[in-house]
Amino acid sequence: DARVTQTPRHKVTEMGQEVTMRCQPILGHNTVFWYRQTMMQGLELLAYFRNRAPLDDSGMPKDRFSAEMPDATLATLKIQPSEPRDSAVYFCASGLGPINEQFFGPGTRLTVL
Amino acid sequence: QKEVEQNSGPLSVPEGAIASLNCTYSDRGSQSFFWYRQYSGKSPELIMFIYSNGDKEDGRFTAQLNKASQYVSLLIRDSQPSDSATYLCAVETSGSRLTFGEGTQLTVNP
Repeated sequence: DARVTQTPRHKVTEMGQEVTMRCQPILGHNTVFWYRQTMMQGLELLAYFRNRAPLDDSGMPKDRFSAEMPDATLATLKIQPSEPRDSAVYFCASGLGPINEQFFGPGTRLTVL
Repeated sequence: QKEVEQNSGPLSVPEGAIASLNCTYSDRGSQSFFWYRQYSGKSPELIMFIYSNGDKEDGRFTAQLNKASQYVSLLIRDSQPSDSATYLCAVETSGSRLTFGEGTQLTVNP
């Protein structure tokens, strides 16, 4: 049963702490996306990779956010230092191209106190 | 103007009725359009995609695309309570990326 997995599913942390979220894309998918979803802003694209290379990270606050794909089976999104306004659900999705069907993971619900 | 706009909702329809969800987009060059469904507390899942002008039917769902008017819609026939969810319109925008609308919350009342 191929699916995108994300860890952790929930994270509560204090302002200023580092947060790392992990994603395992579906085997064979060459494109990985990071999204953030809030009630106010909806679903926003933060960054995406094709064949592990970053293609677009314009939606990501560069001073505190970083995204990497150390290998084809792992994508990471890091926030350092975290702030209360980062509280959201972070989704990872994978697919076979940026405008093909995207398969979403279950999300990481982040709360920054 | 937002790149992708959806009717804000919430939309409430009785069971068995047709639910109509609408989406407009600003990039005239957009070629690919998707409808995702998101249940509360869950992740989005693809329902339909459409690339050509006209209608595309899949079971109780029909996607309609009018590129001249920059308009895409989703019709759900014989609505069921299990269709109650938020529906997200996603449009290919500049830079070959998908931009999502803010979603329309649909409630189907038994």
